[in-house]
Amino acid sequence: DVKVTQSSRYLVKRTGEKVFLECVQDMDHENMFWYRQDPGLGLRLIYFSYDVKMKEKGDIPEGYSVSREKKERFSLILESASTNQTSMYLCASSFQGQIAYNEQFFGPGTRLTVL
Amino acid sequence: GDSVTQMEGPVTLSEEAFLTINCTYTATGYPSLFWYVQYPGEGLQLLLKATKADDKGSNKGFEATYRKETTSFHLEKGSVQVSDSAVYFCAVPGTYKYIFGTGTRLKVLA
Repeated sequence: DVKVTQSSRYLVKRTGEKVFLECVQDMDHENMFWYRQDPGLGLRLIYFSYDVKMKEKGDIPEGYSVSREKKERFSLILESASTNQTSMYLCASSFQGQIAYNEQFFGPGTRLTVL
Repeated sequence: GDSVTQMEGPVTLSEEAFLTINCTYTATGYPSLFWYVQYPGEGLQLLLKATKADDKGSNKGFEATYRKETTSFHLEKGSVQVSDSAVYFCAVPGTYKYIFGTGTRLKVLA
């Protein structure tokens, strides 16, 4: 059974803390994505990666960075957490090739609260 | 640019009612179209997809037909169940990323 796992389901952090969200997939996928999900806004792409050590900005990269040192792992980093980063964070992965035809597989999400 | 417009919710139905959730899109070329579902407390999972015009995707009693003429991909189910209560997302792949609709919350009452 294919799987995308995220390190935490719930996380509470304080303003100014550095926060790491980890995502691991076991499907040997080349593409990995980080989204945030907010009511009324749907899913917004933060960053994505199409290969190890490669990263591309999505629609809302400000305040975030990412790391992909291994194919199966894609980390999202909040350098200095702020209250407006309180959200649900979803990781996804897909096979390489034309994005237009490939399904994305999602992790269960991490609900982050920044106090 | 590429975009997805999805009907706003929430949608509240009684069990066994007919469901339609509208989705229209703009896209370059003829990409596959997807419906994803998110059950409470979970991530998104693929519900169904269609890969070309006039294709019908189906799964778990849900159906959606890829309509190129109307650029639509409406989700339908003939008889909903309480267990169908979830948030449904229409998605269109763009050049380098997916574009998701804002999601439609469905609540089915027993």
